[in-house]
Amino acid sequence: QVQLVESGGGVVQPGGSLRISCAAAGFTFSSYGMHWVRQAPGKGLEWLTFIRYDGNKKYYEDSVKGRFSISRDNSNNTLDLQMDSLTVEDTALYYCAKDSEGYCNSPGCSHFGSWGQGTLVTVSS
Amino acid sequence: NFMLTQPHSVSESPGKTITISCTRTSGSINNNYVQWYQQRPGSPPSNVIYEDNQRPSGVPDRFSASIDGSSNSASLTISGLKTEDEADYYCQSSDNSKKVFGRGTKVTVL
Repeated sequence: QVQLVESGGGVVQPGGSLRISCAAAGFTFSSYGMHWVRQAPGKGLEWLTFIRYDGNKKYYEDSVKGRFSISRDNSNNTLDLQMDSLTVEDTALYYCAKDSEGYCNSPGCSHFGSWGQGTLVTVSS
Repeated sequence: NFMLTQPHSVSESPGKTITISCTRTSGSINNNYVQWYQQRPGSPPSNVIYEDNQRPSGVPDRFSASIDGSSNSASLTISGLKTEDEADYYCQSSDNSKKVFGRGTKVTVL
């Protein structure tokens, strides 16, 4: 079955950088668009970014555009999120999520098919 | 940019029916599908409705949803409430370049 396992979370100082990853298994990773969604403690869900199945198209929420960068390695079935210029407002549980349909070209093409358990990023001095 | 507005909380007794609204602030609710996600404490979200009114396999038919173009809103109805339905529920829709979530509705089964 589909497995998405996030890793790389931790504590980072304001202004710092962190790279988190998502290891995928149980499906043909190279056929599906992938997303990152975060949830601040006690708050709601916030969609952050989408990458097309082949990695050639990326979309970002305005709040992270220019600071966060999504990438994927289809040969190793991994999804990454590089986060720079972090602020305390970036403190959250970060989920990777898979499209329910393959070969989507944009974030709104399909709904979320599967989610990982999340990795916690804490920005604090 | 549009937002999705949901009530903060809903409470009801077991066996009763509740309806959670989700109003799109700009653009037509009919332009893009609406999804609903259930999130229990300590767990990732799970889909209970996709494409406005479709139930994924395994989701009981106590969960239903609809779209109302006149009020530019979507609604999730849970009938025959069970204690296991106690969770946060998020509506979600999209435009061409992003996905948007509502702020979530906390459902309490008294």
